Amino acid sequence: NAGVTQTPKFRVLKTGQSMTLLCAQDMNHEYMYWYRQDPGMGLRLIHYSVGEGTTAKGEVPDGYNVSRLKKQNFLLGLESAAPSQTSVYFCASSLNSVYGYTFGSGTRLTVV
Amino acid sequence: AQSVSQHNHHVILSEAASLELGCNYSYGGTVNLFWYVQYPGQHLQLLLKYFSGDPLVKGIKGFEAEFIKSKFSFNLRKPSVQWSDTAEYFCAVSNFGNEKLTFGTGTRLTIIP
Repeated sequence: NAGVTQTPKFRVLKTGQSMTLLCAQDMNHEYMYWYRQDPGMGLRLIHYSVGEGTTAKGEVPDGYNVSRLKKQNFLLGLESAAPSQTSVYFCASSLNSVYGYTFGSGTRLTVV
Repeated sequence: AQSVSQHNHHVILSEAASLELGCNYSYGGTVNLFWYVQYPGQHLQLLLKYFSGDPLVKGIKGFEAEFIKSKFSFNLRKPSVQWSDTAEYFCAVSNFGNEKLTFGTGTRLTIIP
């Protein structure tokens, strides 16, 4: 049972480039989330999804887009990367809020 | 909107010392409460959770937390820490009926052998 898998694990982008981060879960969870983690700021919610075909904005959505075409996958896109998007990105999924989240291992993104 | 405060940003303890990390939240309705741990270079893992019942909850690795509703607090404790407890600890809260977790800024715990 793989849980939550994120790809890639590391990436370096130049300013203005685009990329997609993939999150896949095999637990049949309805809810999926993308967070970014920055020193001293904890985890901040970028976007989330409450089911296949749905997405919603979180706390810091600007500069990111997401899609949930299949229940098991949640994609995070950066259309035009900026240095301010240098961060560690974590995907998570949950059955419901009582059980808490299962996190992926993270993607370390550097934008130069 | 819910907010979570972790007032201790960095705690340094010697092995065998007792630990208490503070967590306070702002919204006073029905809440679910969590503590997560992040070991260096790893992802977040669930330590313990509270959603109803006994306000003193026990988690993995000897950790426990007490929910005090009147104080909007959910402090994490461990009677005797080990070097392997060196990690960052995050408190998180969700409101009843809301699937989103709000995280605190984290407390970095360093245990000196």
